[in-house]
Amino acid sequence: KNEVEQSPQNLTAQEGEFITINCSYSVGISALHWLQQHPGGGIVSLFMLSSGKKKHGRLIATINIQEKHSSLHITASHPRDSAVYICAPVGRKKSSGDKLTFGTGTRLAVRP
Amino acid sequence: DAGVIQSPRHEVTEMGQEVTLRCKPISGHNSLFWYRQTMMRGLELLIYFNNNVPIDDSGMPEDRFSAKMPNASFSTLKIQPSEPRDSAVYFCASSFEQGVWAKNIQYFGAGTRLSVL
Repeated sequence: KNEVEQSPQNLTAQEGEFITINCSYSVGISALHWLQQHPGGGIVSLFMLSSGKKKHGRLIATINIQEKHSSLHITASHPRDSAVYICAPVGRKKSSGDKLTFGTGTRLAVRP
Repeated sequence: DAGVIQSPRHEVTEMGQEVTLRCKPISGHNSLFWYRQTMMRGLELLIYFNNNVPIDDSGMPEDRFSAKMPNASFSTLKIQPSEPRDSAVYFCASSFEQGVWAKNIQYFGAGTRLSVL
């Protein structure tokens, strides 16, 4: 079973701060998703990555496959970034029950 | 494109009743996912279809749950009989996958909030 740990669980930041959310997983994966869930409940997929780094606007996601670790960075944070951020590693193969598993999420609040 | 469309948005039913949740994926997408989210367990994958074929249903909790995808533009998740512990938000998502593994961006529907009394 792929154990997924996210840290921190809760994060409060001032507008403009640089934010890092970490995700560690226990088994080999083929890819990893970062999801954003807004207070209203809607879920948006931010990134899917299987190596290296991806950037979209103020968001940057990195992954280190060997270390089984991924990070999501937000530069120049803004109150509209307030949401729950969830990482979801994708299992490498169907056997042994590998599948999409999810971290418990990091609740981010950005204060103006 | 209207995005992934789920219906109903809210469903309140009594224990023992049959519940059917519906999902219309984004046109052209070939993979569809059903997720369940609760406070206790967070987000869980229930079942994953690729080209209308169930690839991984290991997340389906028990025989009371069943999912179908009769064609590329429609899927249902059925609970029969429903129980109070099935109360959750159920999300449907779709993506275009080159292979059979969920390696591409997924687009989520707004979810169906189910309450079983």
